[in-house]
Amino acid sequence: AQSVAQPEDQVNVAEGNPLTVKCTYSVSGNPYLFWYVQYPNRGLQFLLKYITGDNLVKGSYGFEAEFNKSQTSFHLKKPSALVSDSALYFCAVRDKSIKAAGNKLTFGGGTRVLVKP
Amino acid sequence: DAGVTQSPTHLIKTRGQQVTLRCSPKSGHDTVSWYQQALGQGPQFIFQYYEEEERQRGNFPDRFSGHQFPNYSSELNVNALLLGDSALYLCASSLAAGTGSYEQYFGPGTRLTVT
Repeated sequence: AQSVAQPEDQVNVAEGNPLTVKCTYSVSGNPYLFWYVQYPNRGLQFLLKYITGDNLVKGSYGFEAEFNKSQTSFHLKKPSALVSDSALYFCAVRDKSIKAAGNKLTFGGGTRVLVKP
Repeated sequence: DAGVTQSPTHLIKTRGQQVTLRCSPKSGHDTVSWYQQALGQGPQFIFQYYEEEERQRGNFPDRFSGHQFPNYSSELNVNALLLGDSALYLCASSLAAGTGSYEQYFGPGTRLTVT
């Protein structure tokens, strides 16, 4: 079984400061990892993914994430947060074994980010 | 290039009724997945359709069923609605597993309220 944990329900940060949203995962094999963002009354918007290769992946809107296999983590980061980054962020995992999981995504519970001016 | 579209946007139903939600995938995509997002929670996988067949199913009862059409669009049907079925229903499209494409693209969702 695969699972995702986002230990913080909410992260508060001042505009211009670094932003980090934490995510840890559990899969039986190797993971594909994803970050999505959700604005109020909207669907999920894809930010970035880790498939293989470089552990630091860069995505949309200045976001990046670091894959750490030993810690089974995939934390989302942004060097300088904007007020417009205030939203709900979801980490998701997919098992790399195609037969085991197809491309079903398992999501964490979400972390609300509030960036204050 | 149209993204994933869903209809209707909002829906109010009474307990015991049946509902059908619709989804058109992103152009070029052939796989459709459905997720249920209860208030304050992350999306939960319901099932996935590829080549007009249900390929994977999450932990949802048989009251939840679906269909995929030859043009890759999809429907989600829920019978005998319960209050607990109230949620945002998200459709996501992608290319089939094994094609080298990995991310899923989500529609805006259908907000279902059961009274």
